[in-house]
Amino acid sequence: SQQGEEDPQALSIQEGENATMNCSYKTSINNLQWYRQNSGRGLVHLILIRSNEREKHSGRLRVTLDTSKKSSSLLITASRAADTASYFCATASLTDSNYQLIWGAGTKLIIKP
Amino acid sequence: EAQVTQNPRYLITVTGKKLTVTCSQNMNHEYMSWYRQDPGLGLRQIYYSMNVEVTDKGDVPEGYKVSRKEKRNFPLILESPSPNQTSLYFCASSFTSGSLQTQYFGPGTRLLVL
Repeated sequence: SQQGEEDPQALSIQEGENATMNCSYKTSINNLQWYRQNSGRGLVHLILIRSNEREKHSGRLRVTLDTSKKSSSLLITASRAADTASYFCATASLTDSNYQLIWGAGTKLIIKP
Repeated sequence: EAQVTQNPRYLITVTGKKLTVTCSQNMNHEYMSWYRQDPGLGLRQIYYSMNVEVTDKGDVPEGYKVSRKEKRNFPLILESPSPNQTSLYFCASSFTSGSLQTQYFGPGTRLLVL
């Protein structure tokens, strides 16, 4: 079942602008992870944020987590053409005594030069 | 170089012809899993393995088999492929505690079943 839901489904912005993607989920989580996928390729891990953390940074990436609203956002600052990709959030939740990663359908980001 | 490899990368086959997609990781990871990715559906887990000889079903295991005889390898077997198994398949691995940790993905295998 889909837990993480990314919003928007697609986003097109000019190079240099900031891009913000959101992820909402339904159940309590241990952590939330963001991944990037270039067209047809494997996913690459970006950031993992634990449930007791509120914000994390990595280079031009900033991730926030609001467990009270069950939502996370991924901000890419000063976007570049190379940031064009699909971005997925995945939530690690306890399911039937095992932790499972549940994935959203992704946000397709297009950076226009 | 630390990586997850999959073979083949592309495969066209016919309904009912058994096939195996191999997955290998060189990072000594305990946890490995298989996903399929279909447009608009995100990633769905097929099977996962917490360690050697320990495998379990994910969300969509029907029509698939796996084995974990060695730590580094986790092949995906389609005994009798059907057209609804046409998809993009990814193998992934992580150190321990399965989904609690960063997943490392292979490059993907694009399968077309005619």
